[in-house]
Order: sequence, then structure tokens, then C-alpha cells
Amino acid sequence: ILNVEQSPQSLHVQEGDSTNFTCSFPSSNFYALHWYRWETAKSPEALFVMTLNGDEKKKGRISATLNTKEGYSYLYIKGSQPEDSATYLCASPFPNSGGSNYKLTFGKGTLLTVNP
Amino acid sequence: DAGITQSPRYKITETGRQVTLMCHQTWSHSYMFWYRQDLGHGLRLIYYSAAADITDKGEVPDGYVVSRSKTENFPLTLESATRSQTSVYFCASSKNSVDTQYFGPGTRLTVL
Repeated sequence: ILNVEQSPQSLHVQEGDSTNFTCSFPSSNFYALHWYRWETAKSPEALFVMTLNGDEKKKGRISATLNTKEGYSYLYIKGSQPEDSATYLCASPFPNSGGSNYKLTFGKGTLLTVNP
Repeated sequence: DAGITQSPRYKITETGRQVTLMCHQTWSHSYMFWYRQDLGHGLRLIYYSAAADITDKGEVPDGYVVSRSKTENFPLTLESATRSQTSVYFCASSKNSVDTQYFGPGTRLTVL
């Protein structure tokens, strides 16, 4: 079974706090790691796609790192703001049963709530 | 406008009725996907399509039918709706199977 796991499931922080959460995935047959941001009542939006071990990506106060050898990625938010409140999803493509194609497999997400 | 759209945005139907949810994208992306959002399960893949006339099952395909006669459209049909199919349905598209997926705004379906 190929699973993408995220932890914690939910997180409450105060405005101004920095925070981080984890995505773990099987390190064999790794192709890419995606992060999405999903606000309540909206649709998921892509944040980053990372492919290389040691990759670091940054978008404003949000950054992500990738370790393909041990199978994990961290998402960091510096100085959290209430507008950062959302579910953060990670996803990784895995080959289908025939090996002829890839399917993007999503984790269940980390729900971040930033209290003012 | 360019992008990915879904219709209707909200739908209430009754058990046993057939319902079709529409998805349209203007990017000429090869891949299109249907997901449902359920509490505790996140996003679950129902069906996906690699190109026109090529579709494949996802994690939870039972009770759903898809077709893709044109690249830009990927309708999802519930042949005989059940209460367990009450959910928010998201359509997405991407250039290929490993690239970023772009999501539509979602359709909230209630089956009474």
C-alpha cells in the first residue's frame, strides 16, 4: 500500500507564531512531492512542487523542504497570520498497478487554525 | 473565462435519481480528475482520465460513471443517487499525471 501520511491532523497556533508540519511518503520510486493549500469553502490551490532531494521552496512566509531518501517533507509557516488558516495537503505521484502511469495520491491534510 | 469550471455549484436531489455533474477546462490539459471531499477522508479520487476516450477508476468509483468524448469536458454521472453520495465534488485537471493539478470550485451535492 502506497500511503502519504501527514501530521499532525490539526494544529492551533497564535498569530505571530511560527509552525511546521510533516508529510511522509514512501522513498522508493519517488517522483515528486506537491503541497496544496485548501481554505474552507474553496478549492485546493498549489503551493509547491518539489522533485530533488534537498529541495527548498519558498513563497512569502511559507517554505518547504524535501528529503527523498528518508521520505519526508516539512512545510514551515513563519509568523502565522489568521489568513493562513487552511488545510495543507501534500501529495505524491505513485505508479498505477500496471506501472504504465502515475496517480497523484493525497494525504488527509493538516488543518491549521491561527487565532488572532 | 479561461480555467476550470464546474456546474452546477449546488444540487439537491432525491435517492434513486440520476445526476450529472459537469466539468469544463480551457487549458487543453490531458488529464482530468474527479474527487469527493468527505470528513475524515480528505480528498478521495473517484475517476480520472488521461485523454479523450481514456478513463480509469480511482479509489471510490462504485455508483459513478464518467465519459470523456472531448478533451475539455469530463462529466460525472451518479446513475442512481444514494445518501452516501452526499458530498462536495471537485474536478481537477493537469498537463500530465505527475504535474500540478488545478481544481474547479466544487459542486456541493445533497441527496435526500
